[in-house]
Amino acid sequence: AQTVTQSQPEMSVQEAETVTLSCTYDTSESDYYLFWYKQPPSRQMILVIRQEAYKQQNATENRFSVNFQKAAKSFSLKISDSQLGDAAMYFCAYRRQGAGSYQLTFGKGTKLSVIP
Amino acid sequence: DTGVSQDPRHKITKRGQNVTFRCDPISEHNRLYWYRQTLGQGPEFLTYFQNEAQLEKSRLLSDRFSAERPKGSFSTLEIQRTEQGDSAMYLCASSLALTGELFFGEGSRLTVL
Repeated sequence: AQTVTQSQPEMSVQEAETVTLSCTYDTSESDYYLFWYKQPPSRQMILVIRQEAYKQQNATENRFSVNFQKAAKSFSLKISDSQLGDAAMYFCAYRRQGAGSYQLTFGKGTKLSVIP
Repeated sequence: DTGVSQDPRHKITKRGQNVTFRCDPISEHNRLYWYRQTLGQGPEFLTYFQNEAQLEKSRLLSDRFSAERPKGSFSTLEIQRTEQGDSAMYLCASSLALTGELFFGEGSRLTVL
């Protein structure tokens, strides 16, 4: 079974600074997707960034980028120029390709605080 | 608002009662998912619909839980004979394609006393 581990329950960052959230996963599959989701307090979860495992290039979305290390099964999220609105729970998630690919497997999350 | 909507947002019930949650997905999305999120945990997959067909159910979905999606539009999740361990946030999500982005609702929070 696939597992996703987020080893940092809480992180904090100064506004305008850069922070990196860690995620490792365990799978025997070679083709899969990885995601970072953001869940603000009392708001719905939204997709921040996704990475296809077959792509060597790291995904970027504006201030958000990932460091995908397939061999190490590591998928960290870097947030640059942190803003107050970035404060939220961040979840790393995995989804396999092919049969049984309906479900996302989430980590326990990292609570990010942004200090003004 | 054209996002995923869930109702009710909060439900407090006594142990042993039945509860039902409703999810209205984004209108053109034919795929619908239910997840459960307990305090301090990430969401856990419960079940998946493609149109009106329930294609996958997690082992977490005991026989007290039933989900339906009549006519492939809205979905309901019913929990019978609720237990305190059912207290959680129940999240609904929808997507257009199997590999498409999931759009989540704000969730229905259940408290079982």
